[in-house]
Parts: sequence; structure tokens; C-alpha cells
Amino acid sequence: AQSVAQPEDQVNVAEGNPLTVKCTYSVSGNPYLFWYVQYPNRGLQFLLKYITGDNLVKGSYGFEAEFNKSQTSFHLKKPSALVSDSALYFCAVKSSNTGKLIFGQGTTLQVKP
Amino acid sequence: GAGVSQSPSNKVTEKGKDVELRCDPISGHTALYWYRQSLGQGLEFLIYFQGNSAPDKSGLPSDRFSAERTGGSVSTLTIQRTQQEDSAVYLCASSSLMTRETQYFGPGTRLLVL
Repeated sequence: AQSVAQPEDQVNVAEGNPLTVKCTYSVSGNPYLFWYVQYPNRGLQFLLKYITGDNLVKGSYGFEAEFNKSQTSFHLKKPSALVSDSALYFCAVKSSNTGKLIFGQGTTLQVKP
Repeated sequence: GAGVSQSPSNKVTEKGKDVELRCDPISGHTALYWYRQSLGQGLEFLIYFQGNSAPDKSGLPSDRFSAERTGGSVSTLTIQRTQQEDSAVYLCASSSLMTRETQYFGPGTRLLVL
């Protein structure tokens, strides 16, 4: 069965510092991996995805993620955090059968000034 | 361009009543998905449409839940005889071959069953 794990409920970083939000996955076949962000009382906003190609994927708002097949990870990163990055972040893997997304439990990112 | 829209944005209903939630996908998107977000269960898949057919209904939690899609566009999620545990945010997403697997989400409908 396909699954996604986000081991941290919350990540706290200071503004200007680098941030990492962790994600590991379990999937049969080639993984299609996604990161979404959710601001309070809003829907999910697409950040970036890995389908194939370069292991380092760049996305919106300066975020990037590194696909690591041997460690089955897809951690989200940003070199310099902003207070406005504070939100709930979801990692997801696409089901190979129907295309539905299977989400992790989410990680709250808190960036303090 | 216009994104995915959902209505109503908020719905308060009494236990036992039926509710209908609407989703307008991005124009031209052939695939449409319904998800549910609740505190206890996180983000759960409910149903997937390709065109007007639903090849995957595996996430619908009970036979009180149903959904349809007409004209390959608008979809309606219906919950009959609502229960308090149905309280959640219901999210709709759409995608197409052009989006290369990326699903774009609407703002959601927040349902509260009293």
C-alpha cells in the first residue's frame, strides 16, 4: 500500500534561517510526489512536484525539494525562511492506479521574526 | 484564469438533514477529485471522476455519501442524513493531461453538522 509520512507535527525556525520539512514515502513503482501548502481557512496551494528527471525540484516562492530514491524521501527546503512562510505543509504521493493523492498528516511551519 | 470554485463556502446544518456541495473545476480539466479534511483524519480521498464517470469511489465513507458529475464539468457531492462526524472541510480538485498530474484545489466547503 502507498503511504506518506511526515514525522514532524511542527517545525520552528527563525526568519532568515534555512528550513526543512521532512517527508518519506512508500510506493510501488515510480513515485509521483507533491508538496502543497495551506494557509488558514484556505484550500491547498501547489508548491512543487517530482515526476521524473532531476532529483532537485524547484517550485514556487523559493521552495525546493530533493527526491532521494534510496532513502525514499522528498524533503521540502528553503534557504532563507520568511515569516509569511508560516503555514501547514502537506506532502503527497499520487496513486498509480487512479491518480488520487495520498497525503501525509501535515507539518505546521512556524517562522519567527 | 479562474481556479476551482466551490459553494457554499460554509454550511451549517442539523443532524439528519441532507446537504449538497458544489464544485466547479477549472475549465477543460477532465479529472475531478473530492477530498475531506478533518482534524482527526487529516486529508482523505473520497471520489475521483474522469469525465462523467467515477472509476474510483473507494473513499466514500458510507452509502449516505454520493457524488455526480454532469457535462464533464460541475460536480455535486451529496451527504444524506448528515451526522456530526461528517463535519469537516470538503475540498475539490481538478487536473488534466496538460497539468501533468498536478491537482489544483478549490477553497473548500466547511460543513458543520449540529
